[in-house]
Amino acid sequence: AQTVTQSQPEMSVQEAETVTLSCTYDTSENNYYLFWYKQPPSRQMILVIRQEAYKQQNATENRFSVNFQKAAKSFSLKISDSQLGDTAMYFCAFMTQGGSEKLVFGKGTKLTVNP
Amino acid sequence: DAGVIQSPRHEVTEMGQEVTLRCKPISGHNSLFWYRQTMMRGLELLIYFNNNVPIDDSGMPEDRFSAKMPNASFSTLKIQPSEPRDSAVYFCASSLWQRNQPQHFGDGTRLSIL
Repeated sequence: AQTVTQSQPEMSVQEAETVTLSCTYDTSENNYYLFWYKQPPSRQMILVIRQEAYKQQNATENRFSVNFQKAAKSFSLKISDSQLGDTAMYFCAFMTQGGSEKLVFGKGTKLTVNP
Repeated sequence: DAGVIQSPRHEVTEMGQEVTLRCKPISGHNSLFWYRQTMMRGLELLIYFNNNVPIDDSGMPEDRFSAKMPNASFSTLKIQPSEPRDSAVYFCASSLWQRNQPQHFGDGTRLSIL
């Protein structure tokens, strides 16, 4: 069974600085998808960024980028120029390419951006 | 475009009562997912449907939980009888059945069983 581990329960960063959230996963699959979701205090689950395992290029969405290391099974999220609105829980998630559409989530990292 | 719509947003009820949570997926999406979020267990997939058919219900905790999807635009998650340990936030999500399509979540229902 696939597992997703987020080793940092909580992190904090100063506004305008850069922060990196860690995620590792365990799978025997070769083709899969990885996602980062953001959950602000309003409770919504918002997709931040996604990565296809067959793509070597790291995904980027504005201030958000990932460092995908397939051999190491690592998928970290970098937030540049942090803003107060980035304060949220961040969840890393995994989905296999074949078979089930199940998303397997990590436990989350609580990020606080300080003014 | 309207997102995934869940109702109610909050539900408080007494132990033993029947609880029904509702979900309207995004129009055109053909997969629907029910998740439960607790502090202890994080986000857990309870059940998911594809084209209104339940595909995997292995995450449903016990027989007190049931889910239906009578048509493409509506699903329910029912708990009967409810217990205090069912207290959690329940999310519904929908997606288009293609492997790289993300799941879009509703705002969740916060359920409190007294």
